[in-house]
Amino acid sequence: DAKTTQPTSMDCAEGRAANLPCNHSTISGNEYVYWYRQIHSQGPQYIIHGLKNNETNEMASLIITEDRKSSTLILPHATLRDTAVYYCIVRPSNTGNQFYFGTGTSLTVIP
Amino acid sequence: DTAVSQTPKYLVTQMGNDKSIKCEQNLGHDTMYWYKQDSKKFLKIMFSYNNKELIINETVPNRFSPKSPDKAHLNLHINSLELGDSAVYFCASSPLGANVLTFGAGSRLTVL
Repeated sequence: DAKTTQPTSMDCAEGRAANLPCNHSTISGNEYVYWYRQIHSQGPQYIIHGLKNNETNEMASLIITEDRKSSTLILPHATLRDTAVYYCIVRPSNTGNQFYFGTGTSLTVIP
Repeated sequence: DTAVSQTPKYLVTQMGNDKSIKCEQNLGHDTMYWYKQDSKKFLKIMFSYNNKELIINETVPNRFSPKSPDKAHLNLHINSLELGDSAVYFCASSPLGANVLTFGAGSRLTVL
């Protein structure tokens, strides 16, 4: 079962930063925060994950609050190709790899 | 050089028929999965195999039978298809114990 809460939808202007929030107030100490996205008619794509420190890769940054009860995925310069559904997932690192996807946030990047 | 490939991409069939969807990964991963995404876009795990052995079966009707001939392949066979089986089925793979799933492009099944 999904243990996260995300807004249903968001808009972002092209070229601006897209900040996607996720609440996970019941997260346990051994659970990581993962972000995937699903572009229309494609399979989900891994973006980033973290435990408690902020993380950055070539796709995005992940900011996790100190109490770990929420996080924000940041796409620094959103493009039209970033329009997708973004899923925030919490999962222990040792549970045999099952990921439970929630309803996600539908991000629309506007020209 | 597709990492996770599924066939067919589209499948339209009648109720009661039996059909299969095939999945192959060339990433050398040990673990493979089947997910189902219904019309409301909920993505749910169905099965997980690790080195040809079933490790997750998420309350899926026994009309669904996964088969893994080797660790690079995980096929999904569905017997006696029902209208509610209409969905997009995604195959995925990951290294054992790793945190990243690589998904295929999906197979859209339509049962008439």
